[in-house]
Amino acid sequence: EAQVTQNPRYLITVTGKKLTVTCSQNMNHEYMSWYRQDPGLGLRQIYYSMNVEVTDKGDVPEGYKVSRKEKRNFPLILESPSPNQTSLYFCASKLYNEQFFGPGTRLTVL
Amino acid sequence: QKEVEQNSGPLSVPEGAIASLNCTYSDRGSQSFFWYRQYSGKSPELIMFIYSNGDKEDGRFTAQLNKASQYVSLLIRDSQPSDSATYLCAVTPSGGYNKLIFGAGTRLAVHP
Repeated sequence: EAQVTQNPRYLITVTGKKLTVTCSQNMNHEYMSWYRQDPGLGLRQIYYSMNVEVTDKGDVPEGYKVSRKEKRNFPLILESPSPNQTSLYFCASKLYNEQFFGPGTRLTVL
Repeated sequence: QKEVEQNSGPLSVPEGAIASLNCTYSDRGSQSFFWYRQYSGKSPELIMFIYSNGDKEDGRFTAQLNKASQYVSLLIRDSQPSDSATYLCAVTPSGGYNKLIFGAGTRLAVHP
């Protein structure tokens, strides 16, 4: 089944404790992206990657890092999470015009 | 700041009616326009996209684009309770083919 998977789906952590949210797609898409979704603000793009080793900032990259060492994986790294990074995170991959979203990761930073 | 604006709703329509969802955008050079549907607790899924001025129809859905007025709309004909969801408008900004700017979404409620 073609899909985008994210892990973990739910995470509660404390300020300053480094964490990684994994994202993997099995559709061989070159383009992948991370978004956060907050009430009243909609989805905002954090980082995107056009291919292996090619990444670029979206609209809200501060406090996040990404890497793209393999085509299928695009992890999101929070080196020192803060409470304002509490949000619902979506990973997506894209073929032509259609973005396929993962199921989301709900992160709470205390 | 490039913005995409939508009325948050809820937009309440009776079953069988036409639901009209609107979106305006501030970047006049925006190239591509998308409508996504998001059910509560789920991830967004693409309904349709439009590039050119005018209408584009796909089943019960019609997207309308007016670049001069900088708005894009989505019409849902014969609305069903299963259409109840949040509808997200998204725009590819000028010079940013790989970026996507989303509106905050309009919540649609279709009642029997």
